[in-house]
Amino acid sequence: GAGVSQSPRYKVAKRGQDVALRCDPISGHVSLFWYQQALGQGPEFLTYFQNEAQLDKSGLPSDRFFAERPEGSVSTLKIQRTQQEDSAVYLCASSPARGQGTGELFFGEGSRLTVL
Amino acid sequence: EDKVVQSPLSLVVHEGDTVTLNCSYEVTNFRSLLWYKQEKKAPTFLFMLTSSGIEKKSGRLSSILDKKELSSILNITATQTGDSAIYLCAVNAGNNRKLIWGLGTSLAVNP
Repeated sequence: GAGVSQSPRYKVAKRGQDVALRCDPISGHVSLFWYQQALGQGPEFLTYFQNEAQLDKSGLPSDRFFAERPEGSVSTLKIQRTQQEDSAVYLCASSPARGQGTGELFFGEGSRLTVL
Repeated sequence: EDKVVQSPLSLVVHEGDTVTLNCSYEVTNFRSLLWYKQEKKAPTFLFMLTSSGIEKKSGRLSSILDKKELSSILNITATQTGDSAIYLCAVNAGNNRKLIWGLGTSLAVNP
């Protein structure tokens, strides 16, 4: 597609529910990143994929967070048993370059998750 | 611990003013520094800086890196209301080449 597409744009979940957030990166982009951005904060790294391989998941805050990119294109971030502190905007970014931070990142518009 | 600090945190100016935003960093194994503009939606890329003293320019925006001072500035001349946004600085550092983000500077340009 023309840009990085994320869905849903907005998600309201009750505490304890599972949610799945989808990212469709720019076609052909090797690298894909997930970030969590709380209000008034900069993006916080969650995880990084190079093609289908999850090379870095050190930013995932707990084992309730899980991400996959099985065919090296679309990625899904799953949050199990959501908690109020999970409320944030989840940004997905892709890059044609290999490696983290070696080039320009193209961001999606984010999925805003609110946990009640 | 690696960190990136931006200042000021927020700024209000009038159209036509010139602004200077700062980004300083303390990281291991610096590789590059990136500036992004974030309006209500996704951050959009502005500049990537790797070499000290070389100014990068795009229209009314320019940026320069000072590796001695471990900092970068982003200048915007003749500001317009459309420049109102959060300006984010990120540093690529470390053996794992991770991006470390600052909190951003929130710029409001009033007509």
